Amino acid sequence: QVQLVQSGAEVKKPGSSVKVSCKASGDTFSSSTISWVRQAPGQGLEWMGGIIPNFGTPNYAQKFQGRVTISADESTTTAFMELSSLRSEDTAVYYCARDFPGYYNYGLDVWGQGTTVTVSS
Amino acid sequence: DVVMTQTPLSLSVTPGQPASISCKSSQSLLHSGGKAYSYWYLQKPGQPPQLLIYEASYRFSGVPDRFNGSGSGTDFTLKISRVEAEDVGVYYCMQSIQSRYTFGQGTKLEIK
Repeated sequence: QVQLVQSGAEVKKPGSSVKVSCKASGDTFSSSTISWVRQAPGQGLEWMGGIIPNFGTPNYAQKFQGRVTISADESTTTAFMELSSLRSEDTAVYYCARDFPGYYNYGLDVWGQGTTVTVSS
Repeated sequence: DVVMTQTPLSLSVTPGQPASISCKSSQSLLHSGGKAYSYWYLQKPGQPPQLLIYEASYRFSGVPDRFNGSGSGTDFTLKISRVEAEDVGVYYCMQSIQSRYTFGQGTKLEIK
């Protein structure tokens, strides 16, 4: 049973950066797409980008290009999302989620528990 | 990017009654392999989203059979045959046709 366990809550100042981790258990990490999805308070879900650890090249939503860096470490089966130049509007819960390729396309079938990032001066 | 438009944005349903949510995509979600890259999620308060339906009409493991997905191309529907109290939350449709995922705005389901 695959599980994604994320790092703990963060409080950051405007203009700084935050790096959130997502550790995967199970043996499907390298060939899965690990995506990052955020949810501002009371708002909907917003896909930020993703990475296939095997390939290493991330894919970003246009809105976050230049401000987000998604990476993965196969040796520790951990994915990372770093968001820079933080502003108050980045206050949100950040989720990692897995998409595993196979005969069926399950989409984002396994989710982390979420990491709350608060940006405040 | 593909835009997903959900209607309605809120629903109030008496237990035991049906509910239906529509999702329209700005372009076809039909993959060259004949599958529709359309999904439905339920997010309960304080929890991450949970997958209900994949490939437009397949129920994910453990999802009760009162949840049914249908549709193809650009029009998709989630139907709950008999709403139960545990079904409250926000329902989202999602697409992944271009390896970039986008979500609908969400539909909040409450119980009357």
